[in-house]
Amino acid sequence: NAGVTQTPKFQVLKTGQSMTLQCAQDMNHEYMSWYRQDPGMGLRLIHYSVGAGITDQGEVPNGYNVSRSTTEDFPLRLLSAAPSQTSVYFCASSPRGRFLYEGTEAFFGQGTRLTVV
Amino acid sequence: AQTVTQSQPEMSVQEAETVTLSCTYDTSESDYYLFWYKQPPSRQMILVIRQEAYKQQNATENRFSVNFQKAAKSFSLKISDSQLGDAAMYFCAYRSGEYGNKLVFGAGTILRVKS
Repeated sequence: NAGVTQTPKFQVLKTGQSMTLQCAQDMNHEYMSWYRQDPGMGLRLIHYSVGAGITDQGEVPNGYNVSRSTTEDFPLRLLSAAPSQTSVYFCASSPRGRFLYEGTEAFFGQGTRLTVV
Repeated sequence: AQTVTQSQPEMSVQEAETVTLSCTYDTSESDYYLFWYKQPPSRQMILVIRQEAYKQQNATENRFSVNFQKAAKSFSLKISDSQLGDAAMYFCAYRSGEYGNKLVFGAGTILRVKS
């Protein structure tokens, strides 16, 4: 069982380039989300999805796009990379709870370290 | 909006001793969940322990336990019999009871374990 798989693990981009960070999960989880981790700031939510075809913005969505065409995949697109987007990116998935307010565990991928020069 | 504060950027503990990591949060919600995640140098995020706000009993998982003070909005993590493998970054996280399983994280505490 692979869990949450992120690719690539490392990436260097030039300012202005675009790229897609891939995220796939094989646990049939409904919820998926993207976070960025910066020193001294913990992880911050970029975008999230509550199911195929449904996405919404998190705390820091600017400069990023997402789509969710299948339950398994949730790619994150950087439209025009900027040095401020240098960060470690995490994808996470979690199952829908048995009832609306159940706090289920989030399962994280291993992260992508992105450097924009 | 909810916020999570970890006021200790770094902590150190001697092997086999006990250490407590602090976390406070701010929310107006009554239904929510709190988590402690461990991030070792491998970068993997590992769930250590979780606490449901509606439960008065503090959660425990082997050597890990929490002191959950709902009125004070405090959620500290106690690690007993510390081991070298406990050395990592620890994040406190808040999940609201609303739809979507969105997490709000604190800035993290680096825990160093001395042998």
